[in-house]
Amino acid sequence: NAGVTQTPKFQVLKTGQSMTLQCAQDMNHNSMYWYRQDPGMGLRLIYYSASEGTTDKGEVPNGYNVSRLNKREFSLRLESAAPSQTSVYFCASSELTAEWGNTIYFGEGSWLTVV
Amino acid sequence: AQSVTQPDIHITVSEGASLELRCNYSYGATPYLFWYVQSPGQGLQLLLKYFSGDTLVQGIKGFEAEFKRSQSSFNLRKPSVHWSDAAEYFCAVGAKGGGSQGNLIFGKGTKLSVKP
Repeated sequence: NAGVTQTPKFQVLKTGQSMTLQCAQDMNHNSMYWYRQDPGMGLRLIYYSASEGTTDKGEVPNGYNVSRLNKREFSLRLESAAPSQTSVYFCASSELTAEWGNTIYFGEGSWLTVV
Repeated sequence: AQSVTQPDIHITVSEGASLELRCNYSYGATPYLFWYVQSPGQGLQLLLKYFSGDTLVQGIKGFEAEFKRSQSSFNLRKPSVHWSDAAEYFCAVGAKGGGSQGNLIFGKGTKLSVKP
């Protein structure tokens, strides 16, 4: 089971460069998320997509854009990277069930360094 | 405001000793509670979750957690720690539903070190 797959796993960018983090899930989940993780800060939500065709801002959306390309794929774009965006990025997906409510499953992370 | 507090940033226990990681939450509605574990360089793996029913929930790798509504707590326990349990542990609280309603609020994590 692949689950949630993110690419690339590691990336170094120069300030001002742009890049897109790709994410795909094979669990047929409706909801998808992008989080960033910084030391001592836990995980913070950047953007989420409740269903195909919809996206909404989370706690820390500034400097990012997202695209829900289809049900499987949810990409995160940095248009002009800044050192403050050096972080570990996690894509996640979830599906609501009557039995278990909403459980979020995470990808393995993308380590991004902006120099 | 909704929040999750993990009071211990770093805990060290000896291999074979018991473990309890604390988690307190503040949440307006009936909470749905989760514990995730993150090994170095890895993503977050779901250990266990509580939605309703029995307040003592069992998870993978021998972990359990107890929901105490009166104390707003959801502490994680393991009777005997193994060296492979060294990792960072995150408590999270969420609401029923997907999208914004399903977003989890995470604690800042507790790093567990295990002494031989």
